[in-house]
Amino acid sequence: GESVGLHLPTLSVQEGDNSIINCAYSNSASDYFIWYKQESGKGPQFIIDIRSNMDKRQGQRVTVLLNKTVKHLSLQIAATQPGDSAVYFCAENIADSWGKLQFGAGTQVVVTP
Amino acid sequence: SQTIHQWPATLVQPVGSPLSLECTVEGTSNPNLYWYRQAAGRGLQLLFYSVGIGQISSEVPQNLSASRPQDRQFILSSKKLLLSDSGFYLCAWSTGGWADSELSSGNTIYFGEGSWLTVV
Repeated sequence: GESVGLHLPTLSVQEGDNSIINCAYSNSASDYFIWYKQESGKGPQFIIDIRSNMDKRQGQRVTVLLNKTVKHLSLQIAATQPGDSAVYFCAENIADSWGKLQFGAGTQVVVTP
Repeated sequence: SQTIHQWPATLVQPVGSPLSLECTVEGTSNPNLYWYRQAAGRGLQLLFYSVGIGQISSEVPQNLSASRPQDRQFILSSKKLLLSDSGFYLCAWSTGGWADSELSSGNTIYFGEGSWLTVV
């Protein structure tokens, strides 16, 4: 997962704009990736996932892109809303270790009016 | 639909006291169960996972232990808490394994609401 030390990266986005959150994962053997949204004091909420045999997957207002060549994952949120303000984590599942996720440090998304 | 419950939601315990956090899953059978810990401003770290009753695997050496007395119950324990045990503890569940997972069925890893532990 992404290693960014103790400081949580912050992305400030104006309401209505598109957001792009990036994540560099560490293990080339990872075969499944998940994006989670975590609001303050709550557990991570599943947003979208993608397998390593895909490079793009779309959900409602969200798109995940996977570039295995450079081990990079991104989450795009269309028309960002105030309710999208949260910390977003990418998680990688290493092959043959189902459910044993390795998490990135997270990105704080702040949506401004 | 499946739901996951954790309790207590918040706990303040003195150093050296015991700990018991409970997690139950409803609406599914034979889930894989996991305990994760999250330090402030950090991602989650896997502590334990279980693929069945009485089957526990530990991922990191620590002062904690886990047990699975029933199919849908997962317990995180400690005999004597340390200050460093403070954190946000999250239980998670998933069905089956990689061979059974299909994206279209939404088979993934789901988290509970977490338990805040402060050791003083």
